[in-house]
Amino acid sequence: NAGVTQTPKFRVLKTGQSMTLLCAQDMNHEYMYWYRQDPGMGLRLIHYSVGEGTTAKGEVPDGYNVSRLKKQNFLLGLESAAPSQTSVYFCASRLERGPTYEQYFGPGTRLTVT
Amino acid sequence: KNQVEQSPQSLIILEGKNCTLQCNYTVSPFSNLRWYKQDTGRGPVSLTIMTFSENTKSNGRYTATLDADTKQSSLHITASQLSDSASYICVVSGGSNYQLIWGAGTKLIIKP
Repeated sequence: NAGVTQTPKFRVLKTGQSMTLLCAQDMNHEYMYWYRQDPGMGLRLIHYSVGEGTTAKGEVPDGYNVSRLKKQNFLLGLESAAPSQTSVYFCASRLERGPTYEQYFGPGTRLTVT
Repeated sequence: KNQVEQSPQSLIILEGKNCTLQCNYTVSPFSNLRWYKQDTGRGPVSLTIMTFSENTKSNGRYTATLDADTKQSSLHITASQLSDSASYICVVSGGSNYQLIWGAGTKLIIKP
C-alpha cells in the first residue's frame, strides 16, 4: 500500500513549456485534490475531483488543467508554464464524505519555471 | 474574509522543552479545526481534528485545544524531541462546502 504517490519529484521548465504532473493513490479514494504551497503562505487549492470523470475549480485554477480518467489517478497539466507557477505541488486524496474527513498527502513535486 | 493566522512564524527550543503554538481564525460557519505536521520535503500529515464540541484532543505528546468562542486554538508539544522539528499547520474547515482554509504554519526547530 503506497498511499499517495506523485511523479516527478522535481522538474525545471522554461517559460512557455508544458508538462503534466501525475498523482496516483491506491486507497480507492473518491476525492482527490491538487494544491500548491508557496513560501509564507498556506496551501492553496488548485483543482479537485469528487470522483472518476469529474473535476472542479479550486481557489487558484488559472493556468492549470486537470483530468481524472481513472479513479486512482489525478493529472495536473500546465499548458504554458510561467515563473509565477514556480511552487511545490501537493496531491491529496480522501475517502470519507463527512465533515471530519482525513486527507492523505503525497510527497510533493517541486517545480521551477525559469 | 475566511482567514487562519498562526504565531509565531518560527520557534527554536531545546530538546526536552515544551512549547505552544497558536492559531486564530475567522472562518464562518465553522465545522472543525485540524493541526498538521509537515516535515521538510514531505506532505502534511494530520495530527488532530477537533469539532465545535471538543475543546481538547491529544495525540501522544501533542495536545490541541480549541476555544470556539474566541476562535483560537493552540498546539502544545510536551518533552520535545529532535524529530518534532517541522512546520505545524493549523487548518480550519468551514465556509461553504467544508472548504479547508490553511494557515501559513509555524516552523519549529528543536536543538540538541
